[in-house]
Amino acid sequence: GAVVSQHPSWVICKSGTSVKIECRSLDFQATTMFWYRQFPKQSLMLMATSNEGSKATYEQGVEKDKFLINHASLTLSTLTVTSAHPEDSSFYICSASNEWNQPQHFGDGTRLSIL
Amino acid sequence: AQSVAQPEDQVNVAEGNPLTVKCTYSVSGNPYLFWYVQYPNRGLQFLLKYITGDNLVKGSYGFEAEFNKSQTSFHLKKPSALVSDSALYFCAVRETGNQFYFGTGTSLTVIP
Repeated sequence: GAVVSQHPSWVICKSGTSVKIECRSLDFQATTMFWYRQFPKQSLMLMATSNEGSKATYEQGVEKDKFLINHASLTLSTLTVTSAHPEDSSFYICSASNEWNQPQHFGDGTRLSIL
Repeated sequence: AQSVAQPEDQVNVAEGNPLTVKCTYSVSGNPYLFWYVQYPNRGLQFLLKYITGDNLVKGSYGFEAEFNKSQTSFHLKKPSALVSDSALYFCAVRETGNQFYFGTGTSLTVIP
């Protein structure tokens, strides 16, 4: 089956640091990638949708200058949490899809802990 | 507007008993429905999908789901639950275009 690789799986850093999370589709071309945030025991919150070569579409309430998304190729999207603060601590999950009627394939998530 | 609802936050079932995790949806056109499972500290894993065809869809790990158009439901089922099935389950709906809508998730606990 399709595989999506997400790195790093866990990162701990100081407040004010910028953190980059990578999402790669390993065996298919992902025309669309999604970034989610998940709080403990809660559902997924869609942050943004990115299509290769174009600007990401952010959901309401998500700061685009805070969460920078780049989808430079059909196999790679990155999420950069700029100047991270403790309230940004969360579980971030990416997913990728190549057709609208096909399932999304998810990465294993990144646990971000800001001290 | 599209939406998907999982009315139960928590489902408990004894090992060996059948399990059902409920999902209802609301879309303006034809629904494309999906079930995912999430284990602790992991991303979501695809279980099964309904696009067209038979209303009963079979998926991974012995799970199946039945599309019921009149009740706008897509409940996830398994005839005999395993302790290893304990996880968080998400229903999702997608219409033409790119947007997925996920339910709030149902935590399934299978009791030995």
